Amino acid sequence: NAGVTQTPKFQVLKTGQSMTLQCAQDMNHEYMSWYRQDPGMGLRLIHYSVGAGITDQGEVPNGYNVSRSTTEDFPLRLLSAAPSQTSVYFCASSDAGLSYGYTFGSGTRLTVV
Amino acid sequence: AQRVTQPEKLLSVFKGAPVELKCNYSYSGSPELFWYVQYSRQRLQLLLRHISRESIKGFTADLNKGETSFHLKKPFAQEEDSAMYYCALNSGGSNYKLTFGKGTLLTVNP
Repeated sequence: NAGVTQTPKFQVLKTGQSMTLQCAQDMNHEYMSWYRQDPGMGLRLIHYSVGAGITDQGEVPNGYNVSRSTTEDFPLRLLSAAPSQTSVYFCASSDAGLSYGYTFGSGTRLTVV
Repeated sequence: AQRVTQPEKLLSVFKGAPVELKCNYSYSGSPELFWYVQYSRQRLQLLLRHISRESIKGFTADLNKGETSFHLKKPFAQEEDSAMYYCALNSGGSNYKLTFGKGTLLTVNP
């Protein structure tokens, strides 16, 4: 049981480049989210999804796109990378109602130069 | 709007001393509260849920609705407890967003 798998683990981008952070879960969880973690800021919600075909914005959505074509996958796209997007990105999934909180992936450390 | 406040960015104690990590929240309804722990360069792990009233790794947390608090406590800290601790709130209903505090870095000194 792999849980939540994120790829890549590390990435360096140049300003203006685009890329997709991958997230997959094998627990048949309905709810998936993307958070960014920055020093002194805690975790901030970027986008979330309550099921296949349904996504919504979180606290800091600008510069990011998501889609949810399957229950398992929830990729995060950076359209035109900026240095302000340098962060650690965590994907998380949960069963219905968030009763057990989220299960997190191991994170992607992104640096934009 | 829901908000989670962890007033201490850093907390340092000696091994064997009691530890309390503070968490206050603002939400008008009935929240679900969680504590997550992140050891150095690892993923976040769920530590406690208030609804389960359990003790994990010697940690306990009680939801105090009157004081809107969910403080995390351990009577005797261990060096392996050194980590970043996040308090989080789920407002429930159709709102599936988990709101996190900014975290408290706990250091347990030998």
